[in-house]
Amino acid sequence: KQEVTQIPAALSVPEGENLVLNCSFTDSAIYNLQWFRQDPGKGLTSLLLIQSSQREQTSGRLNASLDKSSGRSTLYIAASQPGDSATYLCAVTGTGGFKTIFGAGTRLFVKA
Amino acid sequence: DARVTQTPRHKVTEMGQEVTMRCQPILGHNTVFWYRQTMMQGLELLAYFRNRAPLDDSGMPKDRFSAEMPDATLATLKIQPSEPRDSAVYFCASGNRISYEQYFGPGTRLTVT
Repeated sequence: KQEVTQIPAALSVPEGENLVLNCSFTDSAIYNLQWFRQDPGKGLTSLLLIQSSQREQTSGRLNASLDKSSGRSTLYIAASQPGDSATYLCAVTGTGGFKTIFGAGTRLFVKA
Repeated sequence: DARVTQTPRHKVTEMGQEVTMRCQPILGHNTVFWYRQTMMQGLELLAYFRNRAPLDDSGMPKDRFSAEMPDATLATLKIQPSEPRDSAVYFCASGNRISYEQYFGPGTRLTVT
């Protein structure tokens, strides 16, 4: 049974810092891994999708990496801004039936 | 700008009443997912469909929940009878048929009193 863990659960940083959010999963038989952002009281916005055959994806100040063999993904945010404050969730979709499991999320607060 | 739409956005109902939530996936997407989000449990997958066929609904309480896709433009999630513990935000997501990248709707906030 796939389990997805995100560390840390919460993070507070000053504006301008580079930061790394971690996601680990127990079953390496994945189809893809997706990072989302969720603002309070809102839906989920897709940030990056990494297919199982890929090692990383980049969008603007965001970079996500995937290491299937070790069951890990990281989301790197460069030069953080107060507008980056949100909860970041990773979701793993398995190859057997495409079931998707979410981590509990990392709540990020960027101080101005 | 293609988006997943969900109705209603908010629903307050009394225990025992039937609740129906609707979702319109992005045109051309062939997978639809229903999730429930609570503070305690986070995001839980309830059911999902591919090409309108249910693939897995093991996350749903079978005695009271049902999910259907009567056509490619509509997915429904019903709760009958509703209970206070069903209070949560219910999200629908649709998936790109090639990459399976998921796009979420705005959610239905359900309160059962």
